[in-house]
Amino acid sequence: DTAVSQTPKYLVTQMGNDKSIKCEQNLGHDTMYWYKQDSKKFLKIMFSYNNKELIINETVPNRFSPKSPDKAHLNLHINSLELGDSAVYFCASTPGPGANNEQFFGPGTRLTVL
Amino acid sequence: QKEVEQDPGPLSVPEGAIVSLNCTYSNSAFQYFMWYRQYSRKGPELLMYTYSSGNKEDGRFTAQVDKSSKYISLFIRDSQPSDSATYLCASSRTAGNKLTFGGGTRVLVKP
Repeated sequence: DTAVSQTPKYLVTQMGNDKSIKCEQNLGHDTMYWYKQDSKKFLKIMFSYNNKELIINETVPNRFSPKSPDKAHLNLHINSLELGDSAVYFCASTPGPGANNEQFFGPGTRLTVL
Repeated sequence: QKEVEQDPGPLSVPEGAIVSLNCTYSNSAFQYFMWYRQYSRKGPELLMYTYSSGNKEDGRFTAQVDKSSKYISLFIRDSQPSDSATYLCASSRTAGNKLTFGGGTRVLVKP
């Protein structure tokens, strides 16, 4: 009964490839996020969607494109992968942008670019 | 300079000791303050949530916020080996707005 799930859990790929990470939440939340956690554990927000609409778009290269087909899903597509993209990517959800700030995180996707 | 700063540790304590964790932040507009716990190879989970200055207690955990000095603290009493994790502080301007995280402090509680 996973609240926020991500696939795949691990992703190893070559530089220049294109890859996608998927996220699903079964909490009925309206708002979803993508975060990147680097090797020093620094967790930084990338994107946020509320009811399928983009509401936060941090300074992220446009090789990263989020897509929310419905409010329970937020996917992340990455084009032309670079070595610096290696990190753990976390999806999170919260009831809404005006709600309590508890964000429920997924288990993470560990991306390694060779 | 990052908006929220934490000492990365590791902070090693014997079982039963009090763990004291701190964060500083630079953005005066931050109103909401949180502590998340992250076990190895897992996603962060919310531990404590505080609005503005003051103290909040929940079991063995106490969170303190001093907005005048832009200082956030978390205390863990009677620490257990299961408390060994990375603790991340986070702040935001308004409820539901984006969270800005510190880099986390790794805590090791030795039996």
